[in-house]
Amino acid sequence: AQRVTQPEKLLSVFKGAPVELKCNYSYSGSPELFWYVQYSRQRLQLLLRHISRESIKGFTADLNKGETSFHLKKPFAQEEDSAMYYCALYQGGKLIFGQGTELSVKP
Amino acid sequence: KAGVTQTPRYLIKTRGQQVTLSCSPISGHRSVSWYQQTPGQGLQFLFEYFSETQRNKGNFPGRFSGRQFSNSRSEMNVSTLELGDSALYLCASSQGLALSYEQYFGPGTRLTVT
Repeated sequence: AQRVTQPEKLLSVFKGAPVELKCNYSYSGSPELFWYVQYSRQRLQLLLRHISRESIKGFTADLNKGETSFHLKKPFAQEEDSAMYYCALYQGGKLIFGQGTELSVKP
Repeated sequence: KAGVTQTPRYLIKTRGQQVTLSCSPISGHRSVSWYQQTPGQGLQFLFEYFSETQRNKGNFPGRFSGRQFSNSRSEMNVSTLELGDSALYLCASSQGLALSYEQYFGPGTRLTVT
């Protein structure tokens, strides 16, 4: 079965520190992967998708098929990055979400 | 453009009852997907509708059903409610099928089953 694992429930960093939110997936084909973000009292929204290879709000994510990972990275965290982050895999017409990682950026 | 709207926002029902939730997509969007979010299971895909047809379905029992109307508005129905159906139900709309287009999420309907 396809699965998405986000091993950290909570990640706490200081402002200006690098941040990496981990995502591992279980899928034998060519994955379509996404990162979604939910800021406090806001709706869930798409942050980025791997096929677009773009950087959004300073975040990037690289697909590593060998390690079946799609970690989200930002070199210098900002307080406004504090939010819930979900990694998701699209397969067979379904979006399969990880359990989410809460990122807390402290001043 | 108005965002995705969901009604009602909060709902309390009793075990055994049925419930209907409504989702109005962004104007021009033809696809609506539904998700269930619970603390234990996280976000789980329920189904996706496109042009009034169910295109994809998640692993939920037949008590969960939905439909889409010609104006792309969608409803989700849960019959014979169980305590475990208590959750936040999110809908998301997109211009086309979910893989190719960005999904825009609504605020959710918080269903409590007592």
